[in-house]
Amino acid sequence: EAGVTQFPSHSVIEKGQTVTLRCDPISGHDNLYWYRRVMGKEIKFLLHFVKESKQDESGMPNNRFLAERTGGTYSTLKVQPAELEDSGVYFCASSRNAPYGYTFGSGTRLTVV
Amino acid sequence: GQQVMQIPQYQHVQEGEDFTTYCNSSTTLSNIQWYKQRPGGHPVFLIQLVKSGEVKKQKRLTFQFGEAKKNSSLHITATQTTDVGTYFCAGRTGANNLFFGTGTRLTVIP
Repeated sequence: EAGVTQFPSHSVIEKGQTVTLRCDPISGHDNLYWYRRVMGKEIKFLLHFVKESKQDESGMPNNRFLAERTGGTYSTLKVQPAELEDSGVYFCASSRNAPYGYTFGSGTRLTVV
Repeated sequence: GQQVMQIPQYQHVQEGEDFTTYCNSSTTLSNIQWYKQRPGGHPVFLIQLVKSGEVKKQKRLTFQFGEAKKNSSLHITATQTTDVGTYFCAGRTGANNLFFGTGTRLTVIP
């Protein structure tokens, strides 16, 4: 089966600009997660979709971040306006229903300058 | 909030030596998973432990889940250069989402 696909792989934007990250999960995986790793630290949870519904968005840092999952398929994570502290690697993961392990995408490295 | 701490943060070993990373949670976990992230790569699922005191082996890797389901360990016997990477534990309480540990970066010196 195809893996989790994320793009772009890298994005460099200026502070104040908008960036949209996309994630295509494994087909048939109802669960889709966004995580972020900043400065080589721990991988922090952002939010969880079950199909098209937001199951848990407790990890979203603030209202500059907006995530959507159209029709329960691919998901987008928009940062608007971007700030310097938003730099990091954004990972998307998908899974079947618990208790399966997550399959991660290759991540999007976001640099805000 | 839920916290999962890992020690050590970094570990350098000579090829052939053993390696262990420890994971501790502030709360009782329903299960724990382990992931490996190669340099420049993404986390890859290794295993899940569910039962109190559970021990699982994958070739040279041994995973343990504590009796109180608050801690876990990953032990690698006779490390190889292919073991290089960051090892993360990730815990879950109930049906909540996975919370990742801080990771242990392993360097293997040939």
